[in-house]
Amino acid sequence: DAGVTQSPTHLIKTRGQQVTLRCSPKSGHDTVSWYQQALGQGPQFIFQYYEEEERQRGNFPDRFSGHQFPNYSSELNVNALLLGDSALYLCASSRPGLAAPGAYNEQFFGPGTRLTVL
Amino acid sequence: QKEVEQDPGPLSVPEGAIVSLNCTYSNSAFQYFMWYRQYSRKGPELLMYTYSSGNKEDGRFTAQVDKSSKYISLFIRDSQPSDSATYLCAMKSGGYNKLIFGAGTRLAVHP
Repeated sequence: DAGVTQSPTHLIKTRGQQVTLRCSPKSGHDTVSWYQQALGQGPQFIFQYYEEEERQRGNFPDRFSGHQFPNYSSELNVNALLLGDSALYLCASSRPGLAAPGAYNEQFFGPGTRLTVL
Repeated sequence: QKEVEQDPGPLSVPEGAIVSLNCTYSNSAFQYFMWYRQYSRKGPELLMYTYSSGNKEDGRFTAQVDKSSKYISLFIRDSQPSDSATYLCAMKSGGYNKLIFGAGTRLAVHP
């Protein structure tokens, strides 16, 4: 099992450009969440996709958008890049359904895409 | 005020020491409390989770949750250089809700 994979590994963009990051979930998982991790900070939730729909969204502007494909892979798009968008972008996948009460439906994280905005 | 507070450290200890890592939180709706470990240039990996209050032990690791004080801890016994990483606490309420992370504590265990 390859686990959660993300591409590209690193990316350098300039202010105002647009970027697309990609994620393939762990085998058997159908839910994908995206997080932004600034340097020295914990991950911050951007949004979650399930059945090709955005199920939840964190406190991020509309410049951040996403998509989920029928094979459960996902893309994160960021428009009009700002310097402050420089961060590690993490994708996490989890298996179908809710866990039993008291159990945690683990989110498995990929290695992330390091985005630098100049 | 952040929902989850975690001292970023860094924390430097000798091999074999007992390490104590802590987080406080403000949202009483949190029911699931996780500790993730993140090595440099890697994604976080789950170490342990606890549901509601109580203790949980897994080998050298012990997680404690005190919901009355809104305080969680992770203890690492007989720490090893391979434990050197950033430790992130994370929390969620029930259902499909998102994970809320602390800032992470950088730990260095030196031989």
